[in-house]
Amino acid sequence: DIVMTQTPLYSPVTLGQPASVSCRSSQSLVHSDGNTYLSWLQQRPGQPPRLLIYKISNRFSGVPDRFSGSGAGTDFTLKISRVEVEDVGVYYCMQGTQFPFYTFGQGTKLEIK
Amino acid sequence: EVQLVESGGGLVQPGGSLRLSCAASGFTVTSSYMSWVRQAPGKGLEWVSLIYTGGSTHYADSVRGRFTISRDNSKNTLYLQMNSLRPEDTAIYYCARDQSHNARATRQLDYWGQGTLVTVSS
Repeated sequence: DIVMTQTPLYSPVTLGQPASVSCRSSQSLVHSDGNTYLSWLQQRPGQPPRLLIYKISNRFSGVPDRFSGSGAGTDFTLKISRVEVEDVGVYYCMQGTQFPFYTFGQGTKLEIK
Repeated sequence: EVQLVESGGGLVQPGGSLRLSCAASGFTVTSSYMSWVRQAPGKGLEWVSLIYTGGSTHYADSVRGRFTISRDNSKNTLYLQMNSLRPEDTAIYYCARDQSHNARATRQLDYWGQGTLVTVSS
C-alpha cells in the first residue's frame, strides 16, 4: 500500500495570512498513463469530506481560487493564500494512483489563532 | 445536482450484522465507481470498498470476507452488507463517487454523502 504522510498535523494560522500543508507519499504517484492522482480534501467540523483539488493542482467546481496545489512525484503541497474563517477544518491528501486502493494522509487540522 | 444519502447505521453487538444504504440522485450508480469510506471517531479516513461500473468489487484487508458491497440499479442505490462486526468497525460510513470518464475512473472522490454512524458495542 502507498502510505501518505502529512505535515504538520496541526496548523494554527492568523486570519488573512497564508497557510500550507505538505504531503509525502511512500512511492511515486506518477501513473503509467502520465497522470499523478493526488487529491486534497477538506472536512469542516461536523461535515463530510469535500474535494478541493485533484491531479495535484486542479481546483474542483466551486472551490475558491485562494486554494492551490503543487508538487510532483512524492512531494505535494496545498496552499491557502489568505485564510478565512470558513477554512477551519481538517485537510487530507489522498492518492488514487493505486486505484481502487485509495489511501489518505492522517489529516492536518487548521485552526485560527 | 449530485446527491448521496446514507442510511442504515445504528448500534449493533459484536458479531452482529448491519446493511447500509446510499441513495444516489443526479447520476446513476452504474455509471460511476462507487466507494465506501469510513472514519472512526476522532480519526482519519479509511477506504473500505469499491464497486466498478461493470460490477467487480474490491475490499480493504480489514473488511475482506466480512463486508459485501452491492448496488440496486432500479433503486439507484449502493449498499454495504456488514457481517461479523467488531468494535473496531465503529465509525461514520460515507459513500463517495469516483466518476467514470472515457470508461475509466477519474481516481478522485468528487461527491460524498453525509455519512451514517455505525457503533459496535455490547
